Amino acid sequence: EADIYQTPRYLVIGTGKKITLECSQTMGHDKMYWYQQDPGMELHLIHYSYGVNSTEKGDLSSESTVSRIRTEHFPLTLESARPSHTSQYLCASSESLERGRSEKLFFGSGTQLSVL
Amino acid sequence: GNSVTQMEGPVTLSEEAFLTINCTYTATGYPSLFWYVQYPGEGLQLLLKATKADDKGSNKGFEATYRKETTSFHLEKGSVQVSDSAVYFCALSTFYNTDKLIFGTGTRLQVFP
Repeated sequence: EADIYQTPRYLVIGTGKKITLECSQTMGHDKMYWYQQDPGMELHLIHYSYGVNSTEKGDLSSESTVSRIRTEHFPLTLESARPSHTSQYLCASSESLERGRSEKLFFGSGTQLSVL
Repeated sequence: GNSVTQMEGPVTLSEEAFLTINCTYTATGYPSLFWYVQYPGEGLQLLLKATKADDKGSNKGFEATYRKETTSFHLEKGSVQVSDSAVYFCALSTFYNTDKLIFGTGTRLQVFP
């Protein structure tokens, strides 16, 4: 059973607002990720972290930023939301394994963001 | 580059019908292959995986065999249930990027009683 939580579940907000999407996991995983899921359901990696104070951009360019001050917490922030940011955002985590060993990702339930 | 191609949905079936969702991949080297499932209102969950050629992953009655010769990892189930209605994602990871999954576009399955 996954122990990774995202809040809020749904967020409707006006253009220009600053928002933070929360993600927490209680599994002690070093690695955490943010995926953006478009209406066509395709998933794109936008940020990832391999541990405290480590953050990297993913394959899809995003105007959002992330921070990793604590192992269990990986929030995503949009300084000024726009309608183009409307999407489903999924947070995930995995434990570190030695190179070459495939890893299982645990996903949160997602945040559906709508920017008006 | 590395990529995953899934059959488009939705796939609509009656209960107890046979299910196949096609997945093919392009990758350098020997990727690991996965099927994830997303039930309504939930995040993705790992359904099954295979890490080398000819491996068969199985879980909850679902199976998929890693076919290197056809670069495929088709998902099958002999008798679907209404509770199997969900979106199914095929994905791969490579040896040097074991945590960076590359997902297909997802296939929605709808099972009717």
